Amino acid sequence: GAVVSQHPSWVICKSGTSVKIECRSLDFQATTMFWYRQFPKQSLMLMATSNEGSKATYEQGVEKDKFLINHASLTLSTLTVTSAHPEDSSFYICSASGESRDNEQFFGPGTRLTVL
Amino acid sequence: QKEVEQDPGPLSVPEGAIVSLNCTYSNSAFQYFMWYRQYSRKGPELLMYTYSSGNKEDGRFTAQVDKSSKYISLFIRDSQPSDSATYLCAMSARQSGGSYIPTFGRGTSLIVHP
Repeated sequence: GAVVSQHPSWVICKSGTSVKIECRSLDFQATTMFWYRQFPKQSLMLMATSNEGSKATYEQGVEKDKFLINHASLTLSTLTVTSAHPEDSSFYICSASGESRDNEQFFGPGTRLTVL
Repeated sequence: QKEVEQDPGPLSVPEGAIVSLNCTYSNSAFQYFMWYRQYSRKGPELLMYTYSSGNKEDGRFTAQVDKSSKYISLFIRDSQPSDSATYLCAMSARQSGGSYIPTFGRGTSLIVHP
């Protein structure tokens, strides 16, 4: 299967700071990338969908000014949590899909964000 | 009612048992059905991927889809302690823009004890 990486895997930051999380497709071109948030013992909640070169589509209830998504190339998408607060602490997971297999998503290993 | 319902468990079974994991759904437009395995603090990995009703087998895993009942299952034969993980079902329908965005169940925690 295809490989998706995320960096960093774990980040701790102070309240009010911004944190950037990178998602990379290592061996395929990702036309679409997805960002999910997962709280303990909960399912994955889709935050936004991004297509390369266009603005991300955010799910209802997700603040686009707080969670900035940039899908600048076919192998890289970034999620920036701006002015993070403790309630933003969660497990953030990206996934990517390519043109060859549109229905299959390949997930990254996730980034654990802890906001103090 | 949520679009996808999945019992969170935990489901605890002895090694070697046959495990049955299930999801029900309400959206009849769902066409693709997936099962993911997620170990603690890791991203999900795709186990099985099926389209429409029927069975699909891959090693110890069998996925079953019954669209008439809106019910999908994952069976694990000869379960091993290494199968202990959270299993998430997911299903998707074609969006207006042509893409498929899956809807996930909340996951079932499986514990296989030696």
